[in-house]
This record gives sequence, structure tokens and C-alpha cells, in this order.
Amino acid sequence: GQNIDQPTEMTATEGAIVQINCTYQTSGFNGLFWYQQHAGEAPTFLSYNVLDGLEEKGRFSSFLSRSKGYSYLLLKELQMKDSASYLCAIEGPDSWGKLQFGAGTQVVVTP
Amino acid sequence: SAVISQKPSRDICQRGTSLTIQCQVDSQVTMMFWYRQQPGQSLTLIATANQGSEATYESGFVIDKFPISRPNLTFSTLTVSNMSPEDSSIYLCSVSRAVNTEAFFGQGTRLTVV
Repeated sequence: GQNIDQPTEMTATEGAIVQINCTYQTSGFNGLFWYQQHAGEAPTFLSYNVLDGLEEKGRFSSFLSRSKGYSYLLLKELQMKDSASYLCAIEGPDSWGKLQFGAGTQVVVTP
Repeated sequence: SAVISQKPSRDICQRGTSLTIQCQVDSQVTMMFWYRQQPGQSLTLIATANQGSEATYESGFVIDKFPISRPNLTFSTLTVSNMSPEDSSIYLCSVSRAVNTEAFFGQGTRLTVV
């Protein structure tokens, strides 16, 4: 299995930075993905990591350490529209596109 | 990218009936998947829709309850059979073109069983 753990909820102020951690237990995987999901909408892709290290995409960055079984998503310069659920997902080694998701972290951005 | 059209967007169904959800992609894709998202929860993979052969189901999901068709590389259907209120969920179609690339999701079908 690939137990994937994320905090349930985080609250941060507009303009601040928030880091969402994701830990997992798995024997192997292709890549680790981060998705954003607004209430009532489909998940949209934010970032992914195949190799260890930091991937930066504008206000969003994602980090992976395979040896530590750990990833995080960093959201900078928070905006009200960033209030959403953030999903950590692992693509298994046996089939591309087949994702196992964590429970998601609800981020609430306050004025 | 991939543009995915999923129909219906929502439905309210009587228990004991069945609903078929359609997923149409704007171009050929190798991998198509069906997920379920129960209220307040994350996504759970139901099955991989295989073109020209039977779908591959994840643990806890069976073909009799969730029959899937995939007649070609741009289209798939998921049927939720003999529905009960516990089947009330959002059902999402997802596609992927290659390993280590993003998966795209349809807008989902919000199903309520009464």
C-alpha cells in the first residue's frame, strides 16, 4: 500500500506563505503530484516531482525527498482564491496516470 | 493538455436504478480512469478503463456494481448499478498520456441517490 498522510486543515493570512506536508509509505513510485481542488470542481494539476529536490512554478513550489518519504507544497504570496483543498497523490510504479490520493488539506486564506 | 467532457454533470436517482456516466476526450489517450469522491473525502480509484478489454478494478470495486466500457481511445462509460444512498458521490473521469505527466480530470458527475 501507499499510505499518504496530510494535515486536514491549515489557515493562513493573505500574502503569507503556507507549507503543506505530505508523508507516505511506499516501496516505489513513478512520481508525486500535487493537485488543487476548489469546492464542487475537478482537481487541477499544480506540480509534480520525479527526482528529489525542489520544483518551482510561480507562486507554487513542491519538494520531494524519496529517502525520507516526504514531500511538501509551498504556496507563496497567498491570495483569497487559493482557499481550496490540496491533494497529494502518488503515481504507482505499475501504471502511469493511476493515482493514489491523500485525504487532502483544506487551506483557508483569511484577509 | 486534454479537454474532457463528462455527462451528466449531476443527477438525482431512485435507489435500485442504474446510471451511466459518459466521458469523452478531445483526442486519443492511452490511459483512462474512473474515480469516486465521497462527500468530504478525497478521490478513490475505481478502475482503469482498458480499450478493447475488460476494465481493471481496484480492491473493493467489482464489475457487477460498476461496469465500464471503453470502445475506443476517446470514450468511456461508467455505470453505477442498483444504486443505494451510499453511492451518492462525485464520479470523475481522468486521462493520462504518459508516465510522469499530469493526469487531467473531467468536471465530475454529482450523483445523489434517494
